[in-house]
Amino acid sequence: GDSVTQTEGPVTVSESESLIINCTYSATSIAYPNLFWYVRYPGEGLQLLLKVITAGQKGSSRGFEATYNKETTSFHLQKASVQESDSAVYYCALGEMATGGNNKLTFGQGTVLSVIP
Amino acid sequence: EAAVTQSPRNKVAVTGGKVTLSCNQTNNHNNMYWYRQDTGHGLRLIHYSYGAGSTEKGDIPDGYKASRPSQENFSLILELATPSQTSVYFCASGELGPLYEQYFGPGTRLTVL
Repeated sequence: GDSVTQTEGPVTVSESESLIINCTYSATSIAYPNLFWYVRYPGEGLQLLLKVITAGQKGSSRGFEATYNKETTSFHLQKASVQESDSAVYYCALGEMATGGNNKLTFGQGTVLSVIP
Repeated sequence: EAAVTQSPRNKVAVTGGKVTLSCNQTNNHNNMYWYRQDTGHGLRLIHYSYGAGSTEKGDIPDGYKASRPSQENFSLILELATPSQTSVYFCASGELGPLYEQYFGPGTRLTVL
């Protein structure tokens, strides 16, 4: 089946330092997977951070960016300079238009990020 | 702004008891989803729905039932709760299309003793 693996957490980074959270996927049943990063801030639900639906393209939002690499089956999340407000749980996800159109998402295990001021 | 709410936010139940988790969305989305999140695992899909009156099994449906009485409401029902169902449960709504996005509620923390 399809699967997503991301950096084991927790990850602790000092404010203004750079960040990379690795994400690799296996899409055995999907010809053209869509890739997503979701973020969950304390006390809130998951919200979409960025998405890329075409291999080779880069998505960006709030200073974060991720490039869809079909050759290495990766979608790593990067930020050049993190802020304390970026402390959250980050989820990489793989999407498909499944039979019947339920838009099924397969999530990674989540990476807890703590940014130290 | 998309809005998905869940109730209760926290619940303690006893083994063998019945638990109902409720979800309401004001997005007018056709699709709704129930996931659970356990430490070390990503969100796993339990049940989903295409619209009022529809419920479909997700990847881990055993021990759970779902009900979609209206476009806005989607419930997850544990008829006989077990300690293995202790988890955080997330509801989401979404639409069809290649640029689809799922909108999530804040989660319900369920503890089964």
